[in-house]
Amino acid sequence: EAQVTQNPRYLITVTGKKLTVTCSQNMNHEYMSWYRQDPGLGLRQIYYSMNVEVTDKGDVPEGYKVSRKEKRNFPLILESPSPNQTSLYFCASSLSSTQGEPQHFGDGTRLSIL
Amino acid sequence: DAKTTQPNSMESNEEEPVHLPCNHSTISGTDYIHWYRQLPSQGPEYVIHGLTSNVNNRMASLAIAEDRKSSTLILHRATLRDAAVYYCILRDVIRGGADGLTFGKGTHLIIQP
Repeated sequence: EAQVTQNPRYLITVTGKKLTVTCSQNMNHEYMSWYRQDPGLGLRQIYYSMNVEVTDKGDVPEGYKVSRKEKRNFPLILESPSPNQTSLYFCASSLSSTQGEPQHFGDGTRLSIL
Repeated sequence: DAKTTQPNSMESNEEEPVHLPCNHSTISGTDYIHWYRQLPSQGPEYVIHGLTSNVNNRMASLAIAEDRKSSTLILHRATLRDAAVYYCILRDVIRGGADGLTFGKGTHLIIQP
């Protein structure tokens, strides 16, 4: 089944403790992206990757890192998490970065930073 | 990006058609119209997209006004599983695909059994 898989689905952690949220897609998609969703603010893009070894900042990149060493994986890294990064995170992928391509989303990761 | 305007919520009965409107009066000639929906506790899900002509797929139909200043997502026979927030999004084909999707507040669709 074609899907985008995120792990973990839920995480409660403390300020400053490094964490990684993994994202994997099995559709051989070139484009991958991370979003966060907050009440009243909609989804905002954090980082995106047009292809392997190519990543760039989205609208809200501060406090996050990403890497794209393989086509299928696009982990989101919080080196020193803070409470304002408490949010619902979504990974998405699409075949390419052209505007007509639909994006496929994972089921989300709910992070709580205490 | 051009803005879209959608009603905050709509209610419909199960097994009846649903017409979800979207206004985009400042749409440019190179903007695609995309629709996504988000079911409770799930990630957004692509529904349909179009540029000028009406479009049909297994999930829905998209009717685009002749002047492209508005569009309507049509669910032909709503089920309880169609209860979700529906987002109408414009994407400029010229600017390139790196831009993320800009989700507004969408329309909360309630389906009554």
